[in-house]
Amino acid sequence: KQEVTQIPAALSVPEGENLVLNCSFTDSAIYNLQWFRQDPGKGLTSLLLIQSSQREQTSGRLNASLDKSSGRSTLYIAASQPGDSATYLCAVENYGQNFVFGPGTRLSVLP
Amino acid sequence: EADIYQTPRYLVIGTGKKITLECSQTMGHDKMYWYQQDPGMELHLIHYSYGVNSTEKGDLSSESTVSRIRTEHFPLTLESARPSHTSQYLCASRRGQEAFFGQGTRLTVV
Repeated sequence: KQEVTQIPAALSVPEGENLVLNCSFTDSAIYNLQWFRQDPGKGLTSLLLIQSSQREQTSGRLNASLDKSSGRSTLYIAASQPGDSATYLCAVENYGQNFVFGPGTRLSVLP
Repeated sequence: EADIYQTPRYLVIGTGKKITLECSQTMGHDKMYWYQQDPGMELHLIHYSYGVNSTEKGDLSSESTVSRIRTEHFPLTLESARPSHTSQYLCASRRGQEAFFGQGTRLTVV
């Protein structure tokens, strides 16, 4: 059974810092991996989708990498801003299965 | 931009009441999902549907039921609400490999 973990559970940084969020999964035979953002009391917004054949995806200040063999993905946020404050969730999908979500990393960017 | 709507956004209801949480999407997506999320915790899949008249239970046991009579509509029903049902309920639909989420319904059963 696929299990997804995220480190750290919470992170507080000053504005302008570059930061890395980590996601690990136990079953490396994945179909894709997706990073989401969740604001308090709200739904999820998709940030980046990495297919199993890809090693990274970029969108603006966000870059996500995928290393299937080691069961890891990282989300890199460049030049963080207070508006980046949210919970970031990693979700993994195996073939024929539904998404399995990690517990998230709660990020606070201080002005 | 995906359009997926959940109503109500917030609901406080007494124990034993029957409630239906609504979820609608306008994109014609076949796959739809219901997740339950307690504060600060991960999402757990409770129901999903791959199309009209198709519904399945998810990984987390739930006393709720769902129906899928129309592609755009995927309501979730609790026949008799209990305080243990207090949680946030998130609806999602999929286009290919991408998932789109509604804003959620925060349910409190008193």
